[in-house]
Amino acid sequence: ETGVTQSPTHLIKTRGQQVTLRCSSQSGHNTVSWYQQALGQGPQFIFQYYREEENGRGNFPPRFSGLQFPNYSSELNVNALELDDSALYLCASSLPTQETQYFGPGTRLLVL
Amino acid sequence: DAKTTQPPSMDCAEGRAANLPCNHSTISGNEYVYWYRQIHSQGPQYIIHGLKNNETNEMASLIITEDRKSSTLILPHATLRDTAVYYCIAYFGNEKLTFGTGTRLTIIP
Repeated sequence: ETGVTQSPTHLIKTRGQQVTLRCSSQSGHNTVSWYQQALGQGPQFIFQYYREEENGRGNFPPRFSGLQFPNYSSELNVNALELDDSALYLCASSLPTQETQYFGPGTRLLVL
Repeated sequence: DAKTTQPPSMDCAEGRAANLPCNHSTISGNEYVYWYRQIHSQGPQYIIHGLKNNETNEMASLIITEDRKSSTLILPHATLRDTAVYYCIAYFGNEKLTFGTGTRLTIIP
């Protein structure tokens, strides 16, 4: 069974740029959640996708957007990057009938 | 989601049992107690979860008090690889996980 994978592992962008982060869910999992983890903090929920639709959103501005594809993989897009967007971005997948979310290794984004 | 309270840090000697407490006095009847850990800069790793009964798996044991207001995660024989931040989360259904600041557990050789 393949676990959750994320790409890229590290990324450096400059303020104002746009970034796309990718996540492949664990085999058979059709729900994907994204989290942002700033240095020294716990992960904060960004949004969740189920059956290609947004299924819940945290307190993040609209410049954070996402997609889910028919194969359940997902993208997180962030427009107009700000310095405070520097963080570890985590993806977690789960089955709708089970509560447990399984996390990928994360993408570390640095905005200069 | 109910708020959980954990000590910010703990030490444990290698080979001893590590007992990590968590208070969740406002937990509702349908919320599970979930434990994750995060080793430096990696994604959180699921450890165990429970509703009312004590649970055990290959990684740890979870003891939940009868009134469900607190719980303890037990790592029976701690190793250096168990050094991590441990998060206790009260969680219902397939929704968002609300992480606090967790407990930083350091295993001492």
